[in-house]
Amino acid sequence: AQKITQTQPGMFVQEKEAVTLDCTYDTSDPSYGLFWYKQPSSGEMIFLIYQGSYDQQNATEGRYSLNFQKARKSANLVISASQLGDSAMYFCAMRERPTSGTYKYIFGTGTRLKVLA
Amino acid sequence: DSGVTQTPKHLITATGQRVTLRCSPRSGDLSVYWYQQSLDQGLQFLIQYYNGEERAKGNILERFSAQQFPDLHSELNLSSLELGDSALYFCASSVGQGLSYEQYFGPGTRLTVT
Repeated sequence: AQKITQTQPGMFVQEKEAVTLDCTYDTSDPSYGLFWYKQPSSGEMIFLIYQGSYDQQNATEGRYSLNFQKARKSANLVISASQLGDSAMYFCAMRERPTSGTYKYIFGTGTRLKVLA
Repeated sequence: DSGVTQTPKHLITATGQRVTLRCSPRSGDLSVYWYQQSLDQGLQFLIQYYNGEERAKGNILERFSAQQFPDLHSELNLSSLELGDSALYFCASSVGQGLSYEQYFGPGTRLTVT
């Protein structure tokens, strides 16, 4: 079973509008972290936002916010006021630490976002 | 610029050969992570080191090995290379080793095995 699922292979959004990129995860570990990364066409991976499993509030970083719904095991990324420079591949990732093992890092397959002028 | 450096940027080699990829973490970061990104496998975590010691292991093949040196730079060694090893290899670093530490990625080394 997929540990991190990103169901939207590609999305379009109009410039200045908000967009939500979906991410669901699967873990039985009570302690985990959720991340979003951006990968522009140039190839580098850029950290955007982090949410801990015990965090009470949704994480926000500038125009990025993470809609964390623990019971539904979802961690959707919301980008407000989209800009042309937001066009990129976006990866949802999870870091978990099973009680019996070491840390595990799992990435989703990504969502390619295209911002339209 | 994340502050993480990787060399070389590109590497082309033949099957059966051995290569070494190098990574220098951001100043002050003690953890180094290695990832492989390929078209068919996506982004896969390989291994993590913290202050010289192995901390986590992912889908790293036995033909691959890594180490972190006292100056905190890290090397990923890939041997008996196969065509399927062609990929973009990322190094990332973070301050600590716990769940909450964000990782900063280097620009990657693109390996092509012919």
